[in-house]
Amino acid sequence: DVQLVQSGGTLVQPGGSLRLSCAVSGFTFSKYWMGWVRQAPGRGLEWVAHINQDGSDIYYMDAVKGRFTISRNNARNLLYLQMNSLRAEDTAVYYCIGDGGAWWGQGTLVTVSS
Amino acid sequence: DVVLTQSPLSLPVTLGQPASISCRSSQSLVYSDGNTYLNWFQQRPGQSPRRLIYNVFNRDSGVPDRFSGSVSGTDFTLKISRVEAEDVGVYYCMQHTYWPGTFGQGTKVEIK
Repeated sequence: DVQLVQSGGTLVQPGGSLRLSCAVSGFTFSKYWMGWVRQAPGRGLEWVAHINQDGSDIYYMDAVKGRFTISRNNARNLLYLQMNSLRAEDTAVYYCIGDGGAWWGQGTLVTVSS
Repeated sequence: DVVLTQSPLSLPVTLGQPASISCRSSQSLVYSDGNTYLNWFQQRPGQSPRRLIYNVFNRDSGVPDRFSGSVSGTDFTLKISRVEAEDVGVYYCMQHTYWPGTFGQGTKVEIK
């Protein structure tokens, strides 16, 4: 079975940093693009970042450019999202996704508040 | 970026009756390989989204056949032939023909 198991969400102060991880199993990780999608409380889905199979093509939404970094470790089947300079408006449930949304993690809540 | 506009945003339905959700794209979603990368997702309360339909028409494994997808030009439709209680939730269309991928606003399906 395909599994995407996320970790790293927590309460962090404005300006702080956090790294989310997504551990993948059940498919050949290195063959698929992966991404992060977020959902603010009571809101819809928002595409945050994605990375292609070898990491050579990366996209960020404008609101996180220069603050967030997506990366992957194909040898360890891990996807990351490094989040710096966090703001209150980054508060959301973050999901890792793969292959056009065929696979989703369980979601992890990031709360940015003092 | 491609804009996907869903309608209606709220859809009260009667159990056993059909339901239909529209997703209009701001541009053609046909990719150079001939595929159209438009997917539909269901998000039940408190759960992660789940893909129902990929590439306009194709049902994911385990998805009941009462769910179907269709297209006319840049207008995409998700149909539920007979709504069941477990279908309550928010439905999203999503395109990844063009980067960045984009989602529709979501349509909340509830039972009357």
